[in-house]
Amino acid sequence: ETGVTQTPRHLVMGMTNKKSLKCEQHLGHNAMYWYKQSAKKPLELMFVYNFKEQTENNSVPSRFSPECPNSSHLFLHLHTLQPEDSALYLCASSQAGGADTQYFGPGTRLTVL
Amino acid sequence: AQSVTQLGSHVSVSEGALVLLRCNYSSSVPPYLFWYVQYPNQGLQLLLKYTTGATLVKGINGFEAEFKKSETSFHLTKPSAHMSDAAEYFCAVTYPLGSARQLTFGSGTQLTVLP
Repeated sequence: ETGVTQTPRHLVMGMTNKKSLKCEQHLGHNAMYWYKQSAKKPLELMFVYNFKEQTENNSVPSRFSPECPNSSHLFLHLHTLQPEDSALYLCASSQAGGADTQYFGPGTRLTVL
Repeated sequence: AQSVTQLGSHVSVSEGALVLLRCNYSSSVPPYLFWYVQYPNQGLQLLLKYTTGATLVKGINGFEAEFKKSETSFHLTKPSAHMSDAAEYFCAVTYPLGSARQLTFGSGTQLTVLP
């Protein structure tokens, strides 16, 4: 595997379910990001991790819980989601948080019923 | 706060015609600027970026962009459109220093290439 991978690519869940999204980067980067991409809206940064430490949380509801066990892996735990949370969730990584180029995974298409 | 405006959410061009996608940013300090492309069902791929130095930046797939400080613009161009260029294009800005440590994206421009 090369670059940034995300699993699953598609996920359908009910509002009472608990699920997790996984991201893995094979680029040796030390910063990782979660973005939300909704129809007709700009990409929204959700979380930033630098060297496994969370450095940004852009007022994301607590039903989204990130986890970064090491610099290569990033998870997004989902619990009690709402239909408006349906979106494409993109993971990205970069050499360092900030101005360095971010490399994106293919995304997970989430549908909340 | 940094911001990006992409003029035109949809742009259509004929195959072989000039592609021009517009991006303006707001900034009180010199920004870093990026163009990303997103093909259907895929993530974002970097086309090109401007950090410092030469203001005309060349990227992949024949695209280029010019940083114009006086106009606060970073428009993306390609001399001759190809069918494979049909995708959504995002302009983004970030700052190299200080507390602003994230990419801010524009709303995107969907490019359609007509045969």
